[in-house]
Amino acid sequence: GENVEQHPSTLSVQEGDSAVIKCTYSDSASNYFPWYKQELGKGPQLIIDIRSNVGEKKDQRIAVTLNKTAKHFSLHITETQPEDSAVYFCAASMTGNQFYFGTGTSLTVIP
Amino acid sequence: EAGVTQSPTHLIKTRGQQATLRCSPISGHTSVYWYQQALGLGLQFLLWYDEGEERNRGNFPPRFSGRQFPNYSSELNVNALELEDSALYLCASSLPIFNSDQPQHFGDGTRLSIL
Repeated sequence: GENVEQHPSTLSVQEGDSAVIKCTYSDSASNYFPWYKQELGKGPQLIIDIRSNVGEKKDQRIAVTLNKTAKHFSLHITETQPEDSAVYFCAASMTGNQFYFGTGTSLTVIP
Repeated sequence: EAGVTQSPTHLIKTRGQQATLRCSPISGHTSVYWYQQALGLGLQFLLWYDEGEERNRGNFPPRFSGRQFPNYSSELNVNALELEDSALYLCASSLPIFNSDQPQHFGDGTRLSIL
């Protein structure tokens, strides 16, 4: 089955700086890559997703890039704010199949 | 639109007992997924139901089971509870995925504590 690796496991940045979280996947048939944010005491929330026919997608301060050849995708958060502090999960799936999640990145934004 | 709802919010049991957790998906969603999240750890896939059928299960013992009802709601049953079953159990739902990619939408989970 699919194997998703996520790095780093923890990340601290100063407010206003950028944060980058990277994931790699093993199955070249995977074609859908969502990112989730989980705040303390809450369930994961979808923040952005990308499909394999697109190389990059942006939504305000958040962007995701996908490199199908290298089988890796990354989450970029610019101008970080304290409310961005949370655990972030990447996932990979292929159409008609379940999600395979990364192990999570705990992001701390220092005011 | 109401999101995924899970009940109860918290559940306290003792070793050997049985627990039942419930999930109501977003209206129109036919797939329901269950995950276990131990404290500080990632999401471990438990079960996937679609149209009342179990589509796949993760690497968990048979004492973890569930079902999906005709209204697409679902319940997760855990028998013979063990201390290591203490975790947050998350339910997610999605639109049908067999012909297109659909995101999963999560509830806020049931915190199961085993004493």
